[in-house]
Amino acid sequence: AQSVTQPDIHITVSEGASLELRCNYSYGATPYLFWYVQSPGQGLQLLLKYFSGDTLVQGIKGFEAEFKRSQSSFNLRKPSVHWSDAAEYFCAVGAVIFGNEKLTFGTGTRLTIIP
Amino acid sequence: EAGVAQSPRYKIIEKRQSVAFWCNPISGHATLYWYQQILGQGPKLLIQFQNNGVVDDSQLPKDRFSAERLKGVDSTLKIQPAKLEDSAVYLCASSRIGELFFGEGSRLTVL
Repeated sequence: AQSVTQPDIHITVSEGASLELRCNYSYGATPYLFWYVQSPGQGLQLLLKYFSGDTLVQGIKGFEAEFKRSQSSFNLRKPSVHWSDAAEYFCAVGAVIFGNEKLTFGTGTRLTIIP
Repeated sequence: EAGVAQSPRYKIIEKRQSVAFWCNPISGHATLYWYQQILGQGPKLLIQFQNNGVVDDSQLPKDRFSAERLKGVDSTLKIQPAKLEDSAVYLCASSRIGELFFGEGSRLTVL
């Protein structure tokens, strides 16, 4: 079965600083990987996804993530954060099992932005 | 295109009462999911439908939770009787290949 680990429960970053959120996955085959963002009281919004091909994927809101198979990682990055980026971020690993999609989430990283 | 619709957004009940949540997925999406998100945790899959058939309900507490998806479109998730530990946000999602779209969730508080 697939699993996801987000080792950082809470990260605080100054506005304008760079950001990296860590994600490690466990899955026997090539995974589908996702980053979702959740603002307070809202549902989850997809930031970006990796299926195959270029291991550096670009997403919305200036985010990018890099798939590193050797490290089983899919870290999320942003060169300069904005106050509006404060939210909860979830990494997820997906798989197609017997023709059905399965998505497993990590426990999330809460991002706080300080002025 | 319209997103995933859920109702009610908020519900407060006492333990041992019942509650039902409704979800209308994005038109044309065959797969529908119900996730439970407890405060401070990631979403946990409760049940997955493909059209109106159940694909995975292995983590659904079947003694108190039930779900149905009539005609392969709308879905209802019911909890009866509710326990304190059921306090959570219940997220509905629908998917096309490779991407899940989430509703805003239904927040349940059990007192």
